[in-house]
Amino acid sequence: DAGVIQSPRHEVTEMGQEVTLRCKPISGHNSLFWYRQTMMRGLELLIYFNNNVPIDDSGMPEDRFSAKMPNASFSTLKIQPSEPRDSAVYFCASNPDRGTNTEAFFGQGTRLTVV
Amino acid sequence: QKEVEQNSGPLSVPEGAIASLNCTYSDRGSQSFFWYRQYSGKSPELIMSIYSNGDKEDGRFTAQLNKASQYVSLLIRDSQPSDSATYLCASPGYNFNKFYFGSGTKLNVKP
Repeated sequence: DAGVIQSPRHEVTEMGQEVTLRCKPISGHNSLFWYRQTMMRGLELLIYFNNNVPIDDSGMPEDRFSAKMPNASFSTLKIQPSEPRDSAVYFCASNPDRGTNTEAFFGQGTRLTVV
Repeated sequence: QKEVEQNSGPLSVPEGAIASLNCTYSDRGSQSFFWYRQYSGKSPELIMSIYSNGDKEDGRFTAQLNKASQYVSLLIRDSQPSDSATYLCASPGYNFNKFYFGSGTKLNVKP
């Protein structure tokens, strides 16, 4: 298996622009997570999907952030409009959801820079 | 209070020493715990998992869990410079699979 695949790996955009980050989870995994990592705040859970349904989005910082999972093999995280403070590394992770004894597998991350 | 808390460090140890990394958690219903290692510029990768009270050993790594004290630790024996990384503690909590992470402890192993 290719693992969790994220695109793009790097994104530089101007303040006010829309940014879309993409994630393909590992085939057969039922749970998908989006995280944001910064030096100041560490690894923050933004939203969690199970069987394509958003279960908990309490970590989404503002209405500018939205996430979708239209099918089991694809998810997007959108920021509109983007701001410099959104600059961070965004990780997608998936989990087979076979109970508690299963790890989360991470993609390579997208490094977002908003100028 | 964060669900999972760690000392951010940095923790510096000489090569060959034992590195001890600690983590506390707030959800008493948590049943499983995971230690991830993250090298600079890379994504987190799993190195150990533990579900039962006591110790679990895997090579140079030992994970320890004390559910009464809500405490998890990771010991790295014979530390090597290649162990220098940030170590993240994680737990899905009682509500499975939310996978909260601690802020991570940066470990420096000096040659």
